[in-house]
Amino acid sequence: AQKVTQAQTEISVVEKEDVTLDCVYETRDTTYYLFWYKQPPSGELVFLIRRNSFDEQNEISGRYSWNFQKSTSSFNFTITASQVVDSAVYFCALSRINFGNEKLTFGTGTRLTIIP
Amino acid sequence: EAGVTQFPSHSVIEKGQTVTLRCDPISGHDNLYWYRRVMGKEIKFLLHFVKESKQDESGMPNNRFLAERTGGTYSTLKVQPAELEDSGVYFCASSQSGIGAGQYEQYFGPGTRLTVT
Repeated sequence: AQKVTQAQTEISVVEKEDVTLDCVYETRDTTYYLFWYKQPPSGELVFLIRRNSFDEQNEISGRYSWNFQKSTSSFNFTITASQVVDSAVYFCALSRINFGNEKLTFGTGTRLTIIP
Repeated sequence: EAGVTQFPSHSVIEKGQTVTLRCDPISGHDNLYWYRRVMGKEIKFLLHFVKESKQDESGMPNNRFLAERTGGTYSTLKVQPAELEDSGVYFCASSQSGIGAGQYEQYFGPGTRLTVT
């Protein structure tokens, strides 16, 4: 069985501060994908990143960075110099790697509020 | 290119009534998924279509839920009769298919917020 835990239910930071959203996962698969999605107030889930379990290199995209550590089963997401537009609910997710498309297992989400 | 669309955006019904949710995936996407988020909890998988066939329906809660995908295009999710615990946001997602190991990105719609009173 797969499980994703996002222990932080809500986080509030002042604009321009850095913030890290935690994600811990459980899986018996040796290979898998990890994802982060953003849900802005408009409601749709916006894809941010997909990481293959083979690749443990950290990734940076602008103000966003992701830290994947297989040893601790974590895939944390950091926003640097936060902005009000970053306010949203963020979901971490996990899926198996298969020859088809596999369902996503989500965490409960972290509501991030950036205070201007 | 149009994204995944869902209709209605909100629905309020009484316990015992029937509701049908609709999802239009991105054109050309063979894979269509339904997920549900009950308030404050995780987003949970309901089922997965490949074209018009149900690939995986392991997440469907019970036989009050019926999903169809006519001709491999749009999909409907019917709840009959609705119960209080069916309240939540129902998301639809679609993705393309390919040969070989790999996961194509799932594009999500804005969801339908269902309230059963």
